[in-house]
Amino acid sequence: DIQMTQSPSSLSASVGDRVTITCRASQSIGTYLHWYQQKPGNAPKLLIYAASSLQSGVPSRFSGSGSGTDFTLTINSLQPEDFATYYCQQTYSAPHTFGQGTQLEIK
Amino acid sequence: QVQLQESGPGLVKPSETLSLTCTVSGGSISDYYWSWIRQPPGKGLEWIGYIYYSGSTSDNPSLKSRVTMSLDTSKSQFSLKLSSVTAADTAVYYCAGAYNNGWYYFDQWGQGILVTVFS
Repeated sequence: DIQMTQSPSSLSASVGDRVTITCRASQSIGTYLHWYQQKPGNAPKLLIYAASSLQSGVPSRFSGSGSGTDFTLTINSLQPEDFATYYCQQTYSAPHTFGQGTQLEIK
Repeated sequence: QVQLQESGPGLVKPSETLSLTCTVSGGSISDYYWSWIRQPPGKGLEWIGYIYYSGSTSDNPSLKSRVTMSLDTSKSQFSLKLSSVTAADTAVYYCAGAYNNGWYYFDQWGQGILVTVFS
């Protein structure tokens, strides 16, 4: 199985900050890497697919980059509604594993 | 707009089989890989597996062959059976759809259903 490791596991930031979350794969996965946002009590929501493509309807302050084993999710100018947990997922090979999550909290 | 809705028992006894159904509306059953993901309380997401309308399936080896998935195109439903459940299978179970474009990302999700394994 491909292991996905996110860092940090938790992060405190303020409204207006720029934050970066990283995701590392245990082997090369090309750009088969996707990012989701989950708020308490809700299903995850797709933000970025194929490492850097913004899902329709997602604000442009979200961006993704990377290929191979190292990926980043960047949120520019944090908004109050961005405080949530973020997960990466690889779909290069089954099982399509998720990272352990990064909880983004208000400072 | 595709909508997904999970249904099934919220309580299952240990050693029994968990059975869930996901009803799809607003989209073609043949356009997606239909998937199950679960999330134990307070923990992260675990991919369970998918089924495609052709009948092909893939599931997580960590579940030790306890998973059976099926698809009923006439009802626009797909189902999950997880056998020999234990307390470790207590989780919110999500059904989700990954559009058939080769990338397998989940752009459609159900709201989730909490299943508790409890004697």
